[in-house]
Amino acid sequence: QVQLQESGPGLVKPSETLSLTCTVSGGSISSYYWSWIRQPPGKGLEWIGYIYYSGSTNYNPSLKSRVTISVDTSKNQFSLKLSSVTAADTAVYYCARLPGGYDILTGQPLDYYMDVWGKGTTVTVSS
Amino acid sequence: SSELTQDPAVSVALGQTVRITCQGDSLRSYYASWYQQKPGQAPVLVIYGKNNRPSGIPDRFSGSSSGNTASLTITGAQAEDEADYYCNSRDSSGNHLAFGGGTKLTVL
Repeated sequence: QVQLQESGPGLVKPSETLSLTCTVSGGSISSYYWSWIRQPPGKGLEWIGYIYYSGSTNYNPSLKSRVTISVDTSKNQFSLKLSSVTAADTAVYYCARLPGGYDILTGQPLDYYMDVWGKGTTVTVSS
Repeated sequence: SSELTQDPAVSVALGQTVRITCQGDSLRSYYASWYQQKPGQAPVLVIYGKNNRPSGIPDRFSGSSSGNTASLTITGAQAEDEADYYCNSRDSSGNHLAFGGGTKLTVL
């Protein structure tokens, strides 16, 4: 079955850019939406954004100015960049799949649930 | 603050039924999905759509919705159901994804 694996540096300095990659195995990245979610220590889940395999994106308005999500279909990977990080960006970062398909009328996912998640990777922002 | 509101904590006696709720304006138009998260683990989808369970999720988990409130019901709660539960759906604009703040379920 499809599995997701996050990878990237576990420590990032304040003001620098956090970069993570999610590798999709056991299935194709095509025809799905893919999302990043994070969870600060002891807190709840926060949606960061999603990308369609074709490259169209949608970001959390509260993070939009700092977030870029991209996709590399040749590598079956998608990536997250979060710029100008602070200690508030310290969290476990998850990647996940939205299986709901593409709504041709709105250009958005048909459904907003996530059926496959990676195990998560901890990113600490500290000097 | 989250656009989807959940009670921070709920408890249930072993074997009894518990309902975990999620409130938000977007739920009048869109279904909620529900995730179970145990300490140190990634969330697991337990309910999606009107009332659908992914393969492997016990049938004691069910979902429902009325007005601006979605509910996750566990009928006959087991010790292994003790976890954090999160709802998710669209935000009030309908254009972005949102999570509830989470409910910590304790099985007594």
